[in-house]
Amino acid sequence: AQKVTQAQTEISVVEKEDVTLDCVYETRDTTYYLFWYKQPPSGELVFLIRRNSFDEQNEISGRYSWNFQKSTSSFNFTITASQVVDSAVYFCALGNAGNMLTFGGGTRLMVKP
Amino acid sequence: DGGITQSPKYLFRKEGQNVTLSCEQNLNHDAMYWYRQDPGQGLRLIYYSQIVNDFQKGDIAEGYSVSREKKESFPLTVTSAQKNPTAFYLCASSLNSGLITDTQYFGPGTRLTVL
Repeated sequence: AQKVTQAQTEISVVEKEDVTLDCVYETRDTTYYLFWYKQPPSGELVFLIRRNSFDEQNEISGRYSWNFQKSTSSFNFTITASQVVDSAVYFCALGNAGNMLTFGGGTRLMVKP
Repeated sequence: DGGITQSPKYLFRKEGQNVTLSCEQNLNHDAMYWYRQDPGQGLRLIYYSQIVNDFQKGDIAEGYSVSREKKESFPLTVTSAQKNPTAFYLCASSLNSGLITDTQYFGPGTRLTVL
């Protein structure tokens, strides 16, 4: 069975702090994909990144970076120098065979000025 | 611009009534999905369709129905059999490229409230 755990339900930081959102997954598949989505207060899920199980290179995109470690089944997301506009709910998701996604419960990030 | 539209944004329904949520995409995606999100929760899959005229039940299909007569449209009907329909409903679409998991892109959502 597929499972995604985001143990941090809510995180509060002050603007300009760095923050890391944790994601741990379980799967028996050897080939899979991992995703991060952002859900701002408007409600729409915004795609941030997709990573396949064979690519363990970390990725950096502006203030965002992702650390994928197969050894610990984790795909953590770091925001550097957080801003108020980063306030949202962030979802980690695991893609299995058949084009299906299993979502974690989400982490609500609040960035205070 | 290419994207996914959902209408209406807010919907109110009386108990015992069926209601249909609209989802349209112009991304030329083959696959479409419906998810339900309850407050403070993650997303749960209701129905999905990988190709026109074909669809499958997701994890929580009871009380819902769908159709897929056109590639760009995937309406969801919430029937009176759905015991607790008040929720936020999200539609998504993706290519069906044969990769294990294509990226799903989401619409703005419909918030359904049963009065």
